Amino acid sequence: QKEVEQDPGPLSVPEGAIVSLNCTYSNSAFQYFMWYRQYSRKGPELLMYTYSSGNKEDGRFTAQVDKSSKYISLFIRDSQPSDSATYLCAMSVGPIGSARQLTFGSGTQLTVLP
Amino acid sequence: DARVTQTPRHKVTEMGQEVTMRCQPILGHNTVFWYRQTMMQGLELLAYFRNRAPLDDSGMPKDRFSAEMPDATLATLKIQPSEPRDSAVYFCASGLAGLRTDTQYFGPGTRLTVL
Repeated sequence: QKEVEQDPGPLSVPEGAIVSLNCTYSNSAFQYFMWYRQYSRKGPELLMYTYSSGNKEDGRFTAQVDKSSKYISLFIRDSQPSDSATYLCAMSVGPIGSARQLTFGSGTQLTVLP
Repeated sequence: DARVTQTPRHKVTEMGQEVTMRCQPILGHNTVFWYRQTMMQGLELLAYFRNRAPLDDSGMPKDRFSAEMPDATLATLKIQPSEPRDSAVYFCASGLAGLRTDTQYFGPGTRLTVL
């Protein structure tokens, strides 16, 4: 079993929909949680970063972490066709700023239809 | 606009040939990561360096893969001999230890096809 599990999708939604992307993990040592977005034939780019349980909001994006359930989510409000990409969750044991290795989920492919 | 660069962007080679991929991390970053991405396995860490010294290369098949940082501006990943199962996209990423973040900045990748 992988340390980080992510539903690969594909997920297809109409423009304007609320999108929910999720990851579960088994390693309780993970303390820092990230979401990366990867457009086709590009490298992943950081979208959201959080290190505590609860919600973090950035524009149309909300990252949610529940450490007790070992479950993280990314919500996208008012989804746009430009949000069509693969979304990867990533986790680190830290400590913060140690630039240690990340463990990635397998990615969820999202398509937002106009 | 600081970014990680990788060369070549695409490489097609025959089984048994040597492949060398190069990465230029963001200037000033002290940590460099090599990842491999496939449909089946997703994004896997192969190795990473801190201040040019290898910290972890446990994800790398040692018999055919090698990674080095000849200087702070260049990281290389070499496969010798290459095999069809090495076909994947290889990403380099860089980061800076010491900040209150673990952000890694990825390059555009090298798409390798081994025939």
